[in-house]
Amino acid sequence: KQEVTQIPAALSVPEGENLVLNCSFTDSAIYNLQWFRQDPGKGLTSLLLIQSSQREQTSGRLNASLDKSSGRSTLYIAASQPGDSATYLCAVTTGANSKLTFGKGITLSVRP
Amino acid sequence: NAGVMQNPRHLVRRRGQEARLRCSPMKGHSHVYWYRQLPEEGLKFMVYLQKENIIDESGMPKERFSAEFPKEGPSILRIQQVVRGDSAAYFCASSPDSNGYTFGSGTRLTVV
Repeated sequence: KQEVTQIPAALSVPEGENLVLNCSFTDSAIYNLQWFRQDPGKGLTSLLLIQSSQREQTSGRLNASLDKSSGRSTLYIAASQPGDSATYLCAVTTGANSKLTFGKGITLSVRP
Repeated sequence: NAGVMQNPRHLVRRRGQEARLRCSPMKGHSHVYWYRQLPEEGLKFMVYLQKENIIDESGMPKERFSAEFPKEGPSILRIQQVVRGDSAAYFCASSPDSNGYTFGSGTRLTVV
């Protein structure tokens, strides 16, 4: 059974800091991995999708890496801003059209 | 493209009533997924549907819960005889294939 872990559960950093959010999964036979952002009381916004054959994806100040063999992914946020404050969720699929298995998320607070 | 549309955004039901949650996938998306987010817990998969077919319902409670995605119209998640423990945020996601999921804003169900 696939399990996804995100530690720590919460993180507080000062504005401008570069930071790394970690995600680990128990079954390395994934199809793809997706990072989402969730604001309080809102839905999920997709940030980055990494296929199992890829090592990383970049979008603006965000960079996600994938090490399938070790069961890890990281989301790197450069020059953090208060607007980055949200919960960041990591999710994996283990096959085409299969369900997403989510971690519990990391709640990030960026202090002005 | 209006994105994944869920309604209602908020739903209040008394114990024992029925709750009907609707989801219209993005145009061109034939795969629909329902997830539930309980307070202090991560998102959990419930059911995966394509038009007129339930593909994977391994996450659905055995009783009181049902889902459909008819040939015409939105996907419906139905909860009969609701109990307090059903209070949660229910999210729908759609996908054109397995490459990336787009989520709706969710329906927040409160059972009183």
